[in-house]
Amino acid sequence: AQSVTQLDSHVSVSEGTPVLLRCNYSSSYSPSLFWYVQHPNKGLQLLLKYTSAATLVKGINGFEAEFKKSETSFHLTKPSAHMSDAAEYFCVVSVPGTASKLTFGTGTRLQVTL
Amino acid sequence: NAGVTQTPKFRILKIGQSMTLQCAQDMNHNYMYWYRQDPGMGLKLIYYSVGAGITDKGEVPNGYNVSRSTTEDFPLRLELAAPSQTSVYFCATHRGGGDPTNTGELFFGEGSRLTVL
Repeated sequence: AQSVTQLDSHVSVSEGTPVLLRCNYSSSYSPSLFWYVQHPNKGLQLLLKYTSAATLVKGINGFEAEFKKSETSFHLTKPSAHMSDAAEYFCVVSVPGTASKLTFGTGTRLQVTL
Repeated sequence: NAGVTQTPKFRILKIGQSMTLQCAQDMNHNYMYWYRQDPGMGLKLIYYSVGAGITDKGEVPNGYNVSRSTTEDFPLRLELAAPSQTSVYFCATHRGGGDPTNTGELFFGEGSRLTVL
């Protein structure tokens, strides 16, 4: 079985300050982990992914995430928030080789203020 | 290159009516999925397909049906609509296979917002 927990449903930061969106996972197998972003009234877009290579993963728009097996975490960070980062972010865990075994977190809404 | 196209974008149904949500992709991906998104609940898998002629149930299949006669199309049928089916529906694709260039990425349509009254 696998699960993913996004620890914050809503995060608010000021423009130019760091972003931290937290994700913990549980998996019986070596997981693949993803972060997706969803802007209002749009579909989800891949930000970055971890698939057992480097534990620090860099994605688009300056985001990165670090896979920490000992802490079962995959937190998403960005050094400096931009207004355009305001969106909903989803952490996703999957078991490689299984088409249906993608589990989505409940999402974290990021608000960026001036 | 359109990617994943969903129609309609918005629809209001009366209880008991039926309708089909359309999903078409031009990326020649093998895997296709239907998810529903409810506020604060993330995405739940309704049905998926690993290729033409092959479909399987996901986490929340009740009240829905699918078919996959071609690689490109994966329609979702709602029979006897109920208020509990009010949601935003997303179609997604995945290349599938063991190709080392496969990023494992899902490609999403922009969603179909359905209200059942």
